[in-house]
Amino acid sequence: KQEVTQIPAALSVPEGENLVLNCSFTDSAIYNLQWFRQDPGKGLTSLLLIQSSQREQTSGRLNASLDKSSGRSTLYIAASQPGDSATYLCAVEDDYKLSFGAGTTVTVRA
Amino acid sequence: DTGVSQDPRHKITKRGQNVTFRCDPISEHNRLYWYRQTLGQGPEFLTYFQNEAQLEKSRLLSDRFSAERPKGSFSTLEIQRTEQGDSAMYLCASSSGQGVNEQYFGPGTRLTVT
Repeated sequence: KQEVTQIPAALSVPEGENLVLNCSFTDSAIYNLQWFRQDPGKGLTSLLLIQSSQREQTSGRLNASLDKSSGRSTLYIAASQPGDSATYLCAVEDDYKLSFGAGTTVTVRA
Repeated sequence: DTGVSQDPRHKITKRGQNVTFRCDPISEHNRLYWYRQTLGQGPEFLTYFQNEAQLEKSRLLSDRFSAERPKGSFSTLEIQRTEQGDSAMYLCASSSGQGVNEQYFGPGTRLTVT
């Protein structure tokens, strides 16, 4: 059974600092990995998807890396803003269904 | 493209009552998924449809839960004889089923069982 772990569980940083969020998974036989953002009481917004054959993906201030062999992914958010405050979830796809971590809750202080 | 929609957004019910939720996927997406999320946890997979066929059900989906996707369009998730442990956010997602299987999520239905 796939186990996904996200560390740290919570993070508080001053505005402008770069954010580094970690995700690890136990079974490297994955199809892809997705990073999501979730605001309190809301659904999930897809941020980035990295296919198993890729090593990284970038979108604006966001960059995600994938090391499938070691079962790790990292999400970098550059120059954080208060609007980045949310919970960030990592999910791995193994044959159509997603297995999620518990998320990292980020607070960016103005 | 209006995205995945779910109805209702919130539902409060008494223990023992039946509830039904609806999900409308992105048009032309042939895969539809249901997940459940409890406070402080990531979503957990419940079930998956390809067109109208339900291809997998998680062990989390007890006999009190049933899901349908008639005609391969919208889907319903019914919970019979609700229990307090059913209180959670129920999330629906869809994907095209072609190429990269990126899943797009709806806003969720928050269920509270009193």
